[in-house]
Amino acid sequence: AQSVSQHNHHVILSEAASLELGCNYSYGGTVNLFWYVQYPGQHLQLLLKYFSGDPLVKGIKGFEAEFIKSKFSFNLRKPSVQWSDTAEYFCAVNALGSNNDMRFGAGTRLTVKP
Amino acid sequence: GAVVSQHPSRVICKSGTSVKIECRSLDFQATTMFWYRQFPKQSLMLMATSNEGSKATYEQGVEKDKFLINHASLTLSTLTVTSAHPEDSSFYICSASGAVNYGYTFGSGTRLTVV
Repeated sequence: AQSVSQHNHHVILSEAASLELGCNYSYGGTVNLFWYVQYPGQHLQLLLKYFSGDPLVKGIKGFEAEFIKSKFSFNLRKPSVQWSDTAEYFCAVNALGSNNDMRFGAGTRLTVKP
Repeated sequence: GAVVSQHPSRVICKSGTSVKIECRSLDFQATTMFWYRQFPKQSLMLMATSNEGSKATYEQGVEKDKFLINHASLTLSTLTVTSAHPEDSSFYICSASGAVNYGYTFGSGTRLTVV
């Protein structure tokens, strides 16, 4: 089964700083890739997803992610974070042709200081 | 770190039977648990939010009599798919949240196949 690694457990930034959260997966076949955000007390919200096509995917709230197949990576980026971006971020991988199940990374907690 | 155990990982059942999926927080008290379902080639869909000791809050379009959720203790929530049909075949995953500093932790998911 595929596995997903998120490199940063907790990231602390000041407002207006740039953000990049790492996500790597282990699976040699075709994948669908997702980034979710979860605010305190709330359920997951989809930020963006990659199924095929342009490897640079733009999502909601100014987030984007780039799929680099050769590196098995799908890093999340935002050029200028806001205090309201404080949340937990999850990378998820859906391995097609395998069991098709979704696997999540451990999550990265982002704290943005005003 | 926080660990959530989901069981079973895979289950095949006959149409008309019921299936129970367990979600346990192993090393923390989960005051809130979320149940999600994933349709093929789609993102997760939230089914319900479960708070310990109270009735689950279901999302619009999710039948509460079909998907019974029980969160009787701070470490266990169960999802029972009643009178399962082939269209209920899907991937179900739970996540649990305890104190704020624990964040959210996902179970490993359950692949349900109804034949």
